Amino acid sequence: QVQLQESGPGLVKPSETLSLTCTVSGGSISSYYWSWIRQPPGKGLEWIGYIYYSGSTNYNPSLKSRVTISVDTSKNQFSLKLSSVTAADTAVYYCARDLAVTHSLGYFDLWGRGTLVTVSS
Amino acid sequence: QSVLTQPPSASGTPGQRVTISCSGSSSNIGSNYVYWYQQLPGTAPKLLIYRNNQRPSGVPDRFSGSKSGTSASLAISGLRSEDEADYYCAAWDDSLSAVVFGGGTKLTVL
Repeated sequence: QVQLQESGPGLVKPSETLSLTCTVSGGSISSYYWSWIRQPPGKGLEWIGYIYYSGSTNYNPSLKSRVTISVDTSKNQFSLKLSSVTAADTAVYYCARDLAVTHSLGYFDLWGRGTLVTVSS
Repeated sequence: QSVLTQPPSASGTPGQRVTISCSGSSSNIGSNYVYWYQQLPGTAPKLLIYRNNQRPSGVPDRFSGSKSGTSASLAISGLRSEDEADYYCAAWDDSLSAVVFGGGTKLTVL
C-alpha cells in the first residue's frame, strides 16, 4: 500500500532554511495533490501548502513569503523549504496526500508519521 | 485564532453520544466539503469523515458527519474509551485559497 515518509534535519538554527523531503512508496506520485502540514507542540494543525504532481503550487498566505514546495517525480518525492525560521516554526511536520480532484481540497487520506523539527541555536 | 471554530473540549461516558461542532463561513464550510480527522496521542491524524458525511473504509459507523449552511458537526455514538483523542475539522477556503483547520477538540471519555 502507499506510504509516506518524511526525512530531514531535526534541528535547524534560527534564520536558516528548514528543508524536508517526503518519499512516496508503494505508488506513484504522478497524480493527486501533495501537502505539507505542521503542528507545533501541544497545538493544532496548520496547512503549509500543496504541490500538484505537474508542479503547480499553492501556499498558506501566512507563510507564502517563506515557503517553497517542489516535486521530483523521478524519485517519487516532494520537498518543503521554509526560510528564515524562528522558534515559532518548531513543530511536527507532516506530509499528506490529498484525494480532492479539482476543488474542496483538504481530503487528506494518507499521512506520513511526521518529523519533529526544532529551531534552536 | 483558527478560521474554523471548534469547542476546545468535549466529554462523555462510555455508550453515550457526543457531538463536536465546527463553525465557519460562506467562503469555507458554506461552499466546500468538510473533512474530519482523529488524532490519537502521539500519532498522525487519521481521516474520519470526507465530503461532509462519508466514512472511509474501516471507520466504524458510530462516527457520522453532517453539514448545514456554514456549520458542520461530528457525532460519535456508543462512545468507547479508544475514542479519546483530538478531533479536527477542515475545509478549503475560497477567499484565502488555503486549507483551513479548526483549532481541535479534545474528547475525554469519562
